[in-house]
Amino acid sequence: AQKITQTQPGMFVQEKEAVTLDCTYDTSDPSYGLFWYKQPSSGEMIFLIYQGSYDQQNATEGRYSLNFQKARKSANLVISASQLGDSAMYFCAMREGRIRINNDMRFGAGTRLTVKP
Amino acid sequence: DGGITQSPKYLFRKEGQNVTLSCEQNLNHDAMYWYRQDPGQGLRLIYYSQIVNDFQKGDIAEGYSVSREKKESFPLTVTSAQKNPTAFYLCATGGTRKNNEQFFGPGTRLTVL
Repeated sequence: AQKITQTQPGMFVQEKEAVTLDCTYDTSDPSYGLFWYKQPSSGEMIFLIYQGSYDQQNATEGRYSLNFQKARKSANLVISASQLGDSAMYFCAMREGRIRINNDMRFGAGTRLTVKP
Repeated sequence: DGGITQSPKYLFRKEGQNVTLSCEQNLNHDAMYWYRQDPGQGLRLIYYSQIVNDFQKGDIAEGYSVSREKKESFPLTVTSAQKNPTAFYLCATGGTRKNNEQFFGPGTRLTVL
């Protein structure tokens, strides 16, 4: 069964505007971590932001914030003030189990974001 | 500089040949992972290793083999048994930071001719 679902294959946003990339997940483990990665055309995977299942507040990292709705099992990425350099593929990922254990991650299919000038 | 190196960046292979992709890290991370990415798709786990001399199969291990003789190195061999090996291969490590995020290498693009 698909554990991470990203329903938007592609998204467009105007430069300087905000955009939300959707991610829903499925797990029965009470302990898990949610991650967002950016993949530019060069192929490298760049870690953006993390949200733990027990974190009380939504995570923020600069222009990135994570809209975590635990009951709905969603972890949407919000990018504020979009820049041309934000054009890339974005992947949502989940790690189940206690945070200190090096369990493997499950990735969604990704969303391709294009920022228009 | 601390990081993960993968070589080569581009690799071409004739059908029926085995080929080995290199992954080296100097981050002192215990866990290492190999992922496969097909065009327009997400990452799928091939193999992972949480400690030297130990590794486990991921979701798509058939046709691949790995070894973990040193903490710094986790080479992946794509064997002739892998029927559709053309893909982008990413190596990652898992650290001991609070979030335990994975750090990725630059990837190797394998093309079977």
